[in-house]
Amino acid sequence: EVQLVESGGGLVKPGGSLRLSCAASGFTFSSYSMNWVRQAPGKGLEWVSSISSSSSYIYYADSVKGRFTISRDNAKNSLYLQMNSLRAEDTAVYYCARKVVAEDAFDIWGQGTMVTVSS
Amino acid sequence: SYELTQPPSVSVSPGQTARITCSGDALPKQYAYWYQQKPGQAPVLVIYKDSERPSGIPERFSGSSSGTTVTLTISGVQAEDEADYYCQSADSSGSVVFGGGTKLTVL
Repeated sequence: EVQLVESGGGLVKPGGSLRLSCAASGFTFSSYSMNWVRQAPGKGLEWVSSISSSSSYIYYADSVKGRFTISRDNAKNSLYLQMNSLRAEDTAVYYCARKVVAEDAFDIWGQGTMVTVSS
Repeated sequence: SYELTQPPSVSVSPGQTARITCSGDALPKQYAYWYQQKPGQAPVLVIYKDSERPSGIPERFSGSSSGTTVTLTISGVQAEDEADYYCQSADSSGSVVFGGGTKLTVL
């Protein structure tokens, strides 16, 4: 079964750091670009970052540029998001999502992990 | 990056046709994608490349494009279709953008 499972969410104080992980299974992880998408409570979807299959191309939303770092380990079938200098407005459910090959659509999503930034 | 604009809500009676629009200046040049999200669940891709339907998505879901507007059409709406729907596209710089979402209510 094709699956993405996020972990690493939790409660963190403003200015703190957190590292999210996404474990992939059921498909050839190294062949796909991967993304992080977040959703603040009661709000819409917001794209956060993307990384190509070989990590050659990395993109960030302006709202997280300079604070978040996306990375992957194809040997471990894992995607990561290092989040530094966290702000209250970063509070959200964070989803990892697989990008369809040669498309800009996300066809597989994890169940999400909640990040709460609060003092 | 640019913006995609959706109506906040659409209401329809069971069996009727629901149409959800998404407008954006780059849509004539970029494909649009549609996701369905039910409460407490991850989004599900229902339309890709403006009008293609992934396997497993019911035929009542269709998509179309005209100029700067794309439309998700749900024919013969069922109670189970009540959800939030998001359009999504990308620009040439690698950024991805989502519309603000439309809450579909089945009366």
